[in-house]
Amino acid sequence: EAGVAQSPRYKIIEKRQSVAFWCNPISGHATLYWYQQILGQGPKLLIQFQNNGVVDDSQLPKDRFSAERLKGVDSTLKIQPAKLEDSAVYLCASSPKGTTGMNSPLHFGNGTRLTVT
Amino acid sequence: AQKITQTQPGMFVQEKEAVTLDCTYDTSDPSYGLFWYKQPSSGEMIFLIYQGSYDQQNATEGRYSLNFQKARKSANLVISASQLGDSAMYFCAMREDNTDKLIFGTGTRLQVFP
Repeated sequence: EAGVAQSPRYKIIEKRQSVAFWCNPISGHATLYWYQQILGQGPKLLIQFQNNGVVDDSQLPKDRFSAERLKGVDSTLKIQPAKLEDSAVYLCASSPKGTTGMNSPLHFGNGTRLTVT
Repeated sequence: AQKITQTQPGMFVQEKEAVTLDCTYDTSDPSYGLFWYKQPSSGEMIFLIYQGSYDQQNATEGRYSLNFQKARKSANLVISASQLGDSAMYFCAMREDNTDKLIFGTGTRLQVFP
């Protein structure tokens, strides 16, 4: 099966600019996640979708970050305006099950490496 | 609140030797799952092994095994017969039964030398 697709692979922007990332999960996966991974740290969950609804966005900086999954398939994550501290890898992941799928591993995309200058 | 701790920032191991990567966790939920992921320099997160809190036996997947000590709340990853391709970051992660949210530790960088 095709894996989680993310684009772009790399992005360099100046602070205060806006940027958007795209993710297409594995076909049939109901749950989609966006993680932020700052260099030298573990991934931090930003937002979790179940189909097209938000399950958890408690760690999403909502003053500048937004995400949507309109048709319950692919998703976009936007940052506007970007700050220097947003430099990180943004990982998208998907999982085939809902809240009862505790043992289902998340499948990750290759990530988008964002550099804010 | 759930928490994952990986106390080893870096580990070295010689090729063909075994290595243990430590992970401790904290949760008040009696039902949870523990995961290990590998992240090579290319950046992708590769799922390695899973252990459920009610599993009676330690999980094994090829050269990977999980030393699960529930009373100590530890879930150490053991890699046997290390290979040069095992050099990567390794992350321990936990998911509680009432959520799909996967929480990661800070990772351990493993370097395998000839």
